[in-house]
Amino acid sequence: GNSVTQMEGPVTLSEEAFLTINCTYTATGYPSLFWYVQYPGEGLQLLLKATKADDKGSNKGFEATYRKETTSFHLEKGSVQVSDSAVYFCALPNLYSGGGADGLTFGKGTHLIIQP
Amino acid sequence: DAGVTQSPTHLIKTRGQQVTLRCSPKSGHDTVSWYQQALGQGPQFIFQYYEEEERQRGNFPDRFSGHQFPNYSSELNVNALLLGDSALYLCASNSGWGVETQYFGPGTRLLVL
Repeated sequence: GNSVTQMEGPVTLSEEAFLTINCTYTATGYPSLFWYVQYPGEGLQLLLKATKADDKGSNKGFEATYRKETTSFHLEKGSVQVSDSAVYFCALPNLYSGGGADGLTFGKGTHLIIQP
Repeated sequence: DAGVTQSPTHLIKTRGQQVTLRCSPKSGHDTVSWYQQALGQGPQFIFQYYEEEERQRGNFPDRFSGHQFPNYSSELNVNALLLGDSALYLCASNSGWGVETQYFGPGTRLLVL
């Protein structure tokens, strides 16, 4: 089945630093790829997504490019803020045995801590 | 426009008991998925409901069961609770087939003592 591996945290950065959170995946075919964010005490929010190879998803200054050659979907931001402190999850669809996609498979999450 | 809502927000049970968690999908959505998120882990897919039927199931025992009602709301039932069932239970909704845009609720935090 599909799987995701993302770098483990916590990742601690100073405000305005450059951020990269690595994510690699194993999948059959070329599924859509997602980054979700979970702020303290809250549920998951979709941060960005890419639906095909070489697509770049972007939102709130975050970007990630779907690289099928390296099976990666690394999350980047040029200048992080204290408010970006959260847990970030890379995800892709499960593969239903009938060929459709139901539910998501998530990585273990990367806890990002931004210090002022 | 209300998003995905879940109830209760917190729950404490003892081993062996049964629990029911509830979810109302975002307006316009007809598909509901349930996930279990253990502390410090990513969410794990339990099952998905569409048209009142379980469409797909993750690697969870039969103690975990669910239901979807005609208004698309859903329940997750867990029988014979174990300590290891302590987790945040997330409900997500989307429209139709696939998970291209799945919206998550705030979750129900279950503690089993």
